[in-house]
Amino acid sequence: GDSVTQMEGPVTLSEEACLTINCTYTATGYPSLFWYVQYPGEGLQLLLKATKADDKGSNKGFEATYRKETTSFHLEKGSVQVSDSAVYFCALHSGGSNYKLTFGKGTLLTVNP
Amino acid sequence: DAGVIQSPRHEVTEMGQEVTLRCKPISGHDYLFWYRQTMMRGLELLIYFNNNVPIDDSGMPEDRFSAKMPNASFSTLKIQPSEPRDSAVYFCASSLALGGGGNIQYFGAGTRLSVL
Repeated sequence: GDSVTQMEGPVTLSEEACLTINCTYTATGYPSLFWYVQYPGEGLQLLLKATKADDKGSNKGFEATYRKETTSFHLEKGSVQVSDSAVYFCALHSGGSNYKLTFGKGTLLTVNP
Repeated sequence: DAGVIQSPRHEVTEMGQEVTLRCKPISGHDYLFWYRQTMMRGLELLIYFNNNVPIDDSGMPEDRFSAKMPNASFSTLKIQPSEPRDSAVYFCASSLALGGGGNIQYFGAGTRLSVL
């Protein structure tokens, strides 16, 4: 079945540091890939997505590239801010008539000033 | 649009009591999802609906849990009787049925349930 594996947290960085959160997946067919972010006390919200191989999703300075050959979708940001402190979830949608998302376990990021 | 609206935001109850969580999806969305989030198990899909019809309830933990969607603008998740291990944050999400994949789910703010 479908699965998503993302790096264990928590991740603690200083402001302006570089961020990478690794995500790999297993899926049948050609899934769409997502990063969701959950700020403290809130629900998840979409950060970025990519729907086919080699697509790059980007938003708010974050980027992730859909790598079919390595089945990966790593999240990156060149310079994090305190306001980026949140839990980040990698997810996939395997397509077709199944509208379920498969989520990773989440990675807690804390950015210190 | 106001987004997905969940109520109550917090619920504290005693073991054995009935709990009802409520959700109003985004108007026009075809799909509605119920999730449970705990530290131990992460984010789990409980059930989802398409056009008010339950499609997949394989994530519902046991018969104490039930979900309904009587119309396109309202859904409930009921736990009866509640147990301390049901303590979690419960999220509702909705999405449009779009072709070609990449469907985005929009989440509510969640209901934090504590069963004492």
